[in-house]
Amino acid sequence: GAVVSQHPSRVICKSGTSVKIECRSLDFQATTMFWYRQFPKKSLMLMATSNEGSKATYEQGVEKDKFLINHASLTLSTLTVTSAHPEDSSFYICSAASGHYGYTFGSGTRLTVV
Amino acid sequence: GQSLEQPSEVTAVEGAIVQINCTYQTSGFYGLSWYQQHDGGAPTFLSYNALDGLEETGRFSSFLSRSDSYGYLLLQELQMKDSASYFCAVRPRDQGGKLIFGQGTELSVKP
Repeated sequence: GAVVSQHPSRVICKSGTSVKIECRSLDFQATTMFWYRQFPKKSLMLMATSNEGSKATYEQGVEKDKFLINHASLTLSTLTVTSAHPEDSSFYICSAASGHYGYTFGSGTRLTVV
Repeated sequence: GQSLEQPSEVTAVEGAIVQINCTYQTSGFYGLSWYQQHDGGAPTFLSYNALDGLEETGRFSSFLSRSDSYGYLLLQELQMKDSASYFCAVRPRDQGGKLIFGQGTELSVKP
C-alpha cells in the first residue's frame, strides 16, 4: 500500500529557532499534501493544503509566515515552523492525497519548543 | 462551514459491541470516512460511506444517513487493541479535496 514517510518523528528545539518537517510519498505521487496540527486528546486541525508547484492555501487563523510550506515535487512537501515558541509545541501530521490510494497519513512529528 | 460532533469518550468491555455516533452540519460533502488513531500514531483508514446505508468491513461497520445528517461506526467483538481514538471525517465539495475531522471519540476497552 501507499506509504508517507514523515521526519523527524520527534524534535526538541529552542525558542526562536526554526524547525523543518519533511513528508515524502513513497512509490506514489502526491499531487496534494495536507498539513494538520493536533493537540493532546484533540482532533486534527487542518493548517494548510499544498499542491505541487504552487503556493499553499492556508486555513483561516493559520499564520502563513510562521508555518512555511513548500511542495517542490510530487513526492516531497515540507513544513517549516519559523521562530518557534512554546505554544507551537504540538503534534504535526501530513497527509498525501492521490486518486488511487485516497488519503495516506505520515506518522507525525512531535514538536517540543523549550 | 463544517462541524462534526462525536462523543468524547466511550468505554466498553472485551467482546462487546460499541457504536460511535457522528452528527454533522455541512453544506455538502462526498462521503463520510472513519479513522482510527492510536496514541502518538498516524490516523489509519477504517471505513467510508459514499451513499446512505451500511458498509461492512470485518469487525467494523459504518452507516450514513444524509437525510438525518448522521453516521456511526460500529465495532464488534471488541478487543483490547481497539482502544484508540476514532474520528469521523468528511471531504467537502469544491474545497480542494481536504478532509475535515470530527472532534474524536476515545474508546477504552476493558477486560
